[in-house]
Amino acid sequence: EAGVTQFPSHSVIEKGQTVTLRCDPISGHDNLYWYRRVMGKEIKFLLHFVKESKQDESGMPNNRFLAERTGGTYSTLKVQPAELEDSGVYFCASSQVLPGTATGELFFGEGSRLTVL
Amino acid sequence: GESVGLHLPTLSVQEGDNSIINCAYSNSASDYFIWYKQESGKGPQFIIDIRSNMDKRQGQRVTVLLNKTVKHLSLQIAATQPGDSAVYFCAESGGSNYKLTFGKGTLLTVNP
Repeated sequence: EAGVTQFPSHSVIEKGQTVTLRCDPISGHDNLYWYRRVMGKEIKFLLHFVKESKQDESGMPNNRFLAERTGGTYSTLKVQPAELEDSGVYFCASSQVLPGTATGELFFGEGSRLTVL
Repeated sequence: GESVGLHLPTLSVQEGDNSIINCAYSNSASDYFIWYKQESGKGPQFIIDIRSNMDKRQGQRVTVLLNKTVKHLSLQIAATQPGDSAVYFCAESGGSNYKLTFGKGTLLTVNP
């Protein structure tokens, strides 16, 4: 069974440009999460989808970040315009269980490393 | 792979020794705790979890201990192997059951 896949694995862009990260969750997983780790800091929650609906986007830093999950399958996270402080590793995770029940196991992708110059 | 932060706690052990990685949490409403292992260039990988109604749980070569009184979590790895070298993160869920709060991570280095 394929795991959570993320693309690109590494992106280098200049300040002000736009980047779109993609996540393909494990097939059948309704729950999809985005996390990120900025250099030297903890991994932090960004948002959570249940199917195509945003369940919780309280961790999104600001309105330069836009996440979508059309059709409830793969998800994209767009940063526009990118700033220097957006550099870090963006992780996507998916899980089968529903909110309100046991968290169960989150399966993480390998992350998309974003470098903003 | 992802580089670690300058202030990441580190633990260096000899192969075959037991390792203990510690984590403190602050949310007294947390009721679910997980340990993740992250190898260079990879995403966090689930190791073991524990609920707040337990104080100890054992897996294969790993044991998690939970002390709710002092809000402390530890991961014990028995007979540590070079393949255990990685960054270990604790994470907790505070009632929402889907949003995890991660600790800073500890870099474990196993010397052969």
